[in-house]
Amino acid sequence: AQKVTQAQTEISVVEKEDVTLDCVYETRDTTYYLFWYKQPPSGELVFLIRRNSFDEQNEISGRYSWNFQKSTSSFNFTITASQVVDSAVYFCALSEAETGGFKTIFGAGTRLFVKA
Amino acid sequence: EAQVTQNPRYLITVTGKKLTVTCSQNMNHEYMSWYRQDPGLGLRQIYYSMNVEVTDKGDVPEGYKVSRKEKRNFPLILESPSPNQTSLYFCASRILDNEQFFGPGTRLTVL
Repeated sequence: AQKVTQAQTEISVVEKEDVTLDCVYETRDTTYYLFWYKQPPSGELVFLIRRNSFDEQNEISGRYSWNFQKSTSSFNFTITASQVVDSAVYFCALSEAETGGFKTIFGAGTRLFVKA
Repeated sequence: EAQVTQNPRYLITVTGKKLTVTCSQNMNHEYMSWYRQDPGLGLRQIYYSMNVEVTDKGDVPEGYKVSRKEKRNFPLILESPSPNQTSLYFCASRILDNEQFFGPGTRLTVL
């Protein structure tokens, strides 16, 4: 069965600190997709990244970076030099190819507070 | 502009009064889905649809119905709402296994 665990419920940092949001997943499928979404205080859900299970390359996009490690079933998200605008709830999600990618499981989310 | 729209955005109703939340997308996506978001639980999938007239249950389908008569629309129906269905609801659409585009959300309160 699929499962996504975001063990950090809330994280509070001071602006310019680096912060890592953890995501651990469980799946029996060999082909799957991992996602990160951001939900700012305004409430909308914003896509950040998609990674398939065959692509273990880490990715960097500006101040954001993602570390995908199949060996530990983790897909962690790091924000470098955090800013107040990064304050949001961040969700990690998993879709399995076995279900056609149609069933998606989200983690409970991590609320990030960035203080000025 | 590519988007997913939901209506209404806010709704307060009473137990047992049937309601429908509409969802529409203009991106010609085959796949659409409904989620509910509750504190501490993240988003949980209610129903999804792979194409017109093809739907299936997600993880929390009890108390909900859906239909997909047109590709662009995917309404969520609560035939007899109960207080435990008070939640924030999101509709989403996508192509294949790519990222989902979410609607703005519908905040439902059932008294």
